[in-house]
Amino acid sequence: NAGVTQTPKFQVLKTGQSMTLQCAQDMNHNSMYWYRQDPGMGLRLIYYSASEGTTDKGEVPNGYNVSRLNKREFSLRLESAAPSQTSVYFCASSEAGGEDGYTFGSGTRLTVV
Amino acid sequence: AQSVTQPDIHITVSEGASLELRCNYSYGATPYLFWYVQSPGQGLQLLLKYFSGDTLVQGIKGFEAEFKRSQSSFNLRKPSVHWSDAAEYFCAVEGYSTLTFGKGTMLLVSP
Repeated sequence: NAGVTQTPKFQVLKTGQSMTLQCAQDMNHNSMYWYRQDPGMGLRLIYYSASEGTTDKGEVPNGYNVSRLNKREFSLRLESAAPSQTSVYFCASSEAGGEDGYTFGSGTRLTVV
Repeated sequence: AQSVTQPDIHITVSEGASLELRCNYSYGATPYLFWYVQSPGQGLQLLLKYFSGDTLVQGIKGFEAEFKRSQSSFNLRKPSVHWSDAAEYFCAVEGYSTLTFGKGTMLLVSP
């Protein structure tokens, strides 16, 4: 099925461990995004990539890095996980301009202990 | 930067009753506005969108929303709520190449 695929779906990390969340889209969208969702906070933008080869910080970038590997793939890396990064992470993609809305993946539930 | 306010954290509606979820936005230019729905443990599904033209927009599952520029509002409505509509609803505004969300309204449907 066409859409946005995220891996893994669930992950438990110990404080200080690193990991990379993977995201791929098959809709030929130019723009990709990483959000985190916390109870009562809605979704907050971590990083985005308006086009292949570019990345920009969003509202809550601290503690994260991203790589736009190619047009399809956009990964999010936690170099040294902290309990405050326990969250549900969503990847999304859109056409440039965003007027058709964003398509979201099913999310990665990350727990840092 | 743009922002979205959803004043109601929780709303309870009886099945078959009408629904209105409130959304106010802040953005300097003509906004692109969206409503998304999220069922427990699921991703986000686009309900409807506004970016120009008719200020009353129709979406999926019988939802509609009205854009009122003078009030900076984009409220979501449904004439008759079904138990399957119980979920969390997010209003969002697109600007400066990114989508900004409100904090969400949890809809509970009572029998």
